Amino acid sequence: GQNIDQPTEMTATEGAIVQINCTYQTSGFNGLFWYQQHAGEAPTFLSYNVLDGLEEKGRFSSFLSRSKGYSYLLLKELQMKDSASYLCAVVDSNYQLIWGAGTKLIIKP
Amino acid sequence: ETGVTQTPRHLVMGMTNKKSLKCEQHLGHNAMYWYKQSAKKPLELMFVYSLEERVENNSVPSRFSPECPNSSHLFLHLHTLQPEDSALYLCASSQESASGANVLTFGAGSRLTVL
Repeated sequence: GQNIDQPTEMTATEGAIVQINCTYQTSGFNGLFWYQQHAGEAPTFLSYNVLDGLEEKGRFSSFLSRSKGYSYLLLKELQMKDSASYLCAVVDSNYQLIWGAGTKLIIKP
Repeated sequence: ETGVTQTPRHLVMGMTNKKSLKCEQHLGHNAMYWYKQSAKKPLELMFVYSLEERVENNSVPSRFSPECPNSSHLFLHLHTLQPEDSALYLCASSQESASGANVLTFGAGSRLTVL
């Protein structure tokens, strides 16, 4: 079967750095998405990786290793507004989107 | 309004009621989706419409009935639901025809509680 694993919950301190991991086992690979979802709000697109390596967008970076079936989202200079759930999703060989259960990130002052 | 708008935001219904969820997108996108989001579970794709034609139905019970009258509007008609159907129902749209590789724009969801 197809599987996406990410930690259920993480806690970090304001101003610090946090890395949210996502490992996947899917039938083929055509890209990996990260979405952010604040409580009671719509998920919003953060990043899309299809090639290996690190992509940086301001305070957020996303890394992909296709050979390891692994991605991470790196959040720097954490702010209280970064408290949210982070959803990892992989596009499989049939261009179906396979979702992880999400990681709830709690930021403490 | 811009983006994807869902109404109502909250809905409580009995198991014998009939209700509908509405989704409207103002982005000129060609594909629209219904997802179910339950606590601590992955998003479950329910239905996909591309240019107003249903292209996917992921073995969803018939008590959920979608309708897409045009490319901007999507409905989810609900009938004789079960308590386990209580969840957040998310609508999404994407610019290109339905494919998992497209960036999705989501609405804020309709929180459904079935008593």
